[in-house]
This record gives sequence, structure tokens and C-alpha cells, in this order.
Amino acid sequence: KQEVTQIPAALSVPEGENLVLNCSFTDSAIYNLQWFRQDPGKGLTSLLLIQSSQREQTSGRLNASLDKSSGRSTLYIAASQPGDSATYLCAVYGTGNQFYFGTGTSLTVIP
Amino acid sequence: GAVVSQHPSRVICKSGTSVKIECRSLDFQATTMFWYRQFPKQSLMLMATSNEGSKATYEQGVEKDKFLINHASLTLSTLTVTSAHPEDSSFYICSARPAGGGSYNEQFFGPGTRLTVL
Repeated sequence: KQEVTQIPAALSVPEGENLVLNCSFTDSAIYNLQWFRQDPGKGLTSLLLIQSSQREQTSGRLNASLDKSSGRSTLYIAASQPGDSATYLCAVYGTGNQFYFGTGTSLTVIP
Repeated sequence: GAVVSQHPSRVICKSGTSVKIECRSLDFQATTMFWYRQFPKQSLMLMATSNEGSKATYEQGVEKDKFLINHASLTLSTLTVTSAHPEDSSFYICSARPAGGGSYNEQFFGPGTRLTVL
């Protein structure tokens, strides 16, 4: 069974700092990997989706990379802002025809 | 585009009652919808996969007689929590995959329903 782990579980950084969130998964047979943002008590907002054949995707200040062979993905956030404070979830979609979610990283950006 | 809605967004009910949660794809057809549950400070756990016109597939440990799923149309799936108890209190989120798989088999998530059972 696919297991998805995110490190760190929580992260606190000063505003303006660049940061990296990590996601690892045990089964490399995936179709895609998706990064989400979740605000407290809210649903999921999709940030970036990377197909298994792709190495990275970029959207604004966000850059996500995928190394399928090693079972790793990173989400890079440039010039962090207080509005970036949220929980970030990665999820992999594989041959089991379902999403497996990571444990999440709770990010706090301090003004 | 690709908007998924859930109704209600929040519900409080007494123990023993049944609660129905709706998940709708507003601007696309979804042959497959997924239901997740999220407990406080935990990640999302898949409960069941709902396919239009057929029975849902439940994950191990999820009671199908307690969590009834109906996917009667290409834009609507419902989750009914029967005889709800306080331990069923959770955040329920649905997602929908466009018919034909869409781009990269992407799923679109609803805003979630907060269920509190007293």
C-alpha cells in the first residue's frame, strides 16, 4: 500500500524567506502528484499537479518538483508571505485508482 | 471551471439521526466521485469510491451500511451517515474526476462538510 510522508510536520518562518516542503512516497508507480493547500476548517485548494512524466511545475511563487524514481517531491515557496500560512498536503494518484494523501505540513509565516 | 460544491457546509445533529451530504460537480460530468474523512489535525482518508450507476467501493474498515453512498447522476453523489454517533463527527470532503479522466486524471475537491454529532 502506498504511504505518503511529509516533512516537516510544522514549519515557522519569517516573512520573505524562501522555503521547501518535502513529500516522499513508497510506491513509484504513480500517475501524478498533486500539492494542495488547506486553510483551517476549509476544503482543499489545488496548487500544482505534476504528471509522472514531468519533473516540475511552476505557478507564480510556487515550484513543485518530482523525482519519481526516488519517491520524492518538493514544494518550493519563494518570498513567503503571511497569507501563505496554511497546511500543505501532497497526494499521489497511482495504479490503485485513488489518491493517497500525505500527513501535511503546517506552515506559519510570521510578519 | 471544474467546481465541486458540497451541501451542507456544516451540520449539527443529535445522536441516532441520519445526515445526508451532497456533492455536486457544477460544470462538468463526473463518472467517479470520492468521499474522504478528515479528523482534526490528521490527513484525508479515503472512505469510498462512487461510480455513477453502480455500487460504491468502500475502503477497508468503512462500514457500507453506515455510510450509504448514492451516485445517481453524472453530477451528483450523496453520502448518508446513518444513525450518526459522536465518533462520526468529522470533516467530510468529496472529490470528482471528470468523465474521461480529464487532464492528468485530476480530481477536483469540494469545500467540505463539517459534521458534529451531539
